[in-house]
Amino acid sequence: TQLLEQSPQFLSIQEGENLTVYCNSSSVFSSLQWYRQEPGEGPVLLVTVVTGGEVKKLKRLTFQFGDARKDSSLHITAAQPGDTGLYLCAGAWGGSNYKLTFGKGTLLTVNP
Amino acid sequence: DTGVSQDPRHKITKRGQNVTFRCDPISEHNRLYWYRQTLGQGPEFLTYFQNEAQLEKSRLLSDRFSAERPKGSFSTLEIQRTEQGDSAMYLCASSSDSFYGYTFGSGTRLTVV
Repeated sequence: TQLLEQSPQFLSIQEGENLTVYCNSSSVFSSLQWYRQEPGEGPVLLVTVVTGGEVKKLKRLTFQFGDARKDSSLHITAAQPGDTGLYLCAGAWGGSNYKLTFGKGTLLTVNP
Repeated sequence: DTGVSQDPRHKITKRGQNVTFRCDPISEHNRLYWYRQTLGQGPEFLTYFQNEAQLEKSRLLSDRFSAERPKGSFSTLEIQRTEQGDSAMYLCASSSDSFYGYTFGSGTRLTVV
């Protein structure tokens, strides 16, 4: 069974602050995705990374995939209350990009 | 296309009863997935289909759980003889062969009392 470790589990910050959350595995990912989930709703895909060292930006969000494809980070610049939610990383292994294993998530609260 | 639809959104049932959930994926997507999520946890894989074929089923899934996708379109997940431990959010997602990512539905919240 592949495991994904996310940290921190909880994060509470003030509006305007920067933050980084992490996702790690002992195995090499074939691809990794980040999702954001709001209470009572399904997760929404933010980004997919495939290539080691890849960096993708989505407005104030920056996603990085480790060179060895075993880890990833999500950095948010100048957080806003609308960024509040559960951030989930999900990885695929073994050449299959279809079955995903999810981490436990980072619950982010941005206070006005 | 309105995305992935799940029905019902909420279900309260008594222990021992059977329940069935429905998922309608995005029409162009040939792959469909079921996950379960409990409070404080990420989604946990249950099973997945490519068209009408069930390709994988989690070993964590007891014989009380069964899923079907009879015509490669909508899918149903049935839980027989529900237990309190089955209380969770049941999420359905779909994807295409060329899309590296899932589109999730809003989920069905099951409460077993």
